[in-house]
Amino acid sequence: AQSVTQLGSHVSVSEGALVLLRCNYSSSVPPYLFWYVQYPNQGLQLLLKYTSAATLVKGINGFEAEFKKSETSFHLTKPSAHMSDAAEYFCAVGGGGADGLTFGKGTHLIIQP
Amino acid sequence: SAVISQKPSRDICQRGTSLTIQCQVDSQVTMMFWYRQQPGQSLTLIATANQGSEATYESGFVIDKFPISRPNLTFSTLTVSNMSPEDSSIYLCSVEVPWQETQYFGPGTRLLVL
Repeated sequence: AQSVTQLGSHVSVSEGALVLLRCNYSSSVPPYLFWYVQYPNQGLQLLLKYTSAATLVKGINGFEAEFKKSETSFHLTKPSAHMSDAAEYFCAVGGGGADGLTFGKGTHLIIQP
Repeated sequence: SAVISQKPSRDICQRGTSLTIQCQVDSQVTMMFWYRQQPGQSLTLIATANQGSEATYESGFVIDKFPISRPNLTFSTLTVSNMSPEDSSIYLCSVEVPWQETQYFGPGTRLLVL
């Protein structure tokens, strides 16, 4: 069985500061890992994905994530937060063919002016 | 990627009634998925809909409550039957884009059951 743990249901950072959202996964097979963002009253937008190529994955809007197998982690970072980054962020594992995704509980990112 | 639309975008329904949600994608895909997002919660997979076969339901979800149709490679419907207030959620469909191992999501249907 696969599972995802996101540490911190709410993360608050100042505008211009580093954003770090934590995600740890559990998977019995090499995983596909994803970060999605959900803006208020909208669906999910793919930020980035890891599918066993490069361990450092770059996504949209300046976000990136690093896959660390030894730590079973896939943390999301952005060097400088912008007010428009305020949203709900979901880490997910699975996919590839007939598999649905298993999502973490989500992290609400708050940007302080 | 894929462009996915859902109808209706939101609805308010009375308990005991049923609502059918439509999901349309702009390209042919094999796998479509339906998820539920309860208020303030994460997403939970309801079922996987493969064209030409019966949908596969996750534990806790049954066909009588959430019947699914998948008549072709670009369309699917999810019906929420005999609704109760506990069914108030956002229902999202997603598609797996061939050879990308990635799921793309529709905008969701926001359902409130009174």
